[in-house]
Amino acid sequence: NAGVTQTPKFRILKIGQSMTLQCAQDMNHNYMYWYRQDPGMGLKLIYYSVGAGITDKGEVPNGYNVSRSTTEDFPLRLELAAPSQTSVYFCASSNSGKRETQYFGPGTRLLVL
Amino acid sequence: RKEVEQDPGPFNVPEGATVAFNCTYSNSASQSFFWYRQDCRKEPKLLMSVYSSGNEDGRFTAQLNRASQYISLLIRDSKLSDSATYLCVVNPLRSYIPTFGRGTSLIVHP
Repeated sequence: NAGVTQTPKFRILKIGQSMTLQCAQDMNHNYMYWYRQDPGMGLKLIYYSVGAGITDKGEVPNGYNVSRSTTEDFPLRLELAAPSQTSVYFCASSNSGKRETQYFGPGTRLLVL
Repeated sequence: RKEVEQDPGPFNVPEGATVAFNCTYSNSASQSFFWYRQDCRKEPKLLMSVYSSGNEDGRFTAQLNRASQYISLLIRDSKLSDSATYLCVVNPLRSYIPTFGRGTSLIVHP
């Protein structure tokens, strides 16, 4: 199993550009999450999904959108990138959102200039 | 009060030392608890779950104190490779959303 994969690993965007961060998992997990982590800070939840076709906002959803058309994939869309979205983005999955552990992807480093 | 609070550190200890971190949580209905480890510029990875009876994994011991609403992580005989940030994670009852602490930085020096 590859676990949780994320692409790209690193990206530089100009202000106002858009992009999609890809996330896929091959563990048949029903729960998936997107976090951002700013330097020296903890993880902040952007969006999460409890299954295909079901998504919900986390703590910091503004400026982002998600979709979950399949169990495996959970892309994160940035529209009109802003410098405040410079961060490291982690995707994670779990078999149950309540008690099971989360498996994280390697992260995408995004720089918005 | 933040939902999950950790001392950010850094905790700077020599090799072979014993070091302990605490993490306090505010939601008394929290159901499950974990410690994750995050190396510099890497993703978080599960270190160990925390059970009411306490649990041990080699040099690592995790404890839960429900009455005082905190969990702890004890590392014995610290190694250079233990240098990392340790994240406390709390899962509330009937919630899909675990809450992460900001992490405690540990630096083990020769």
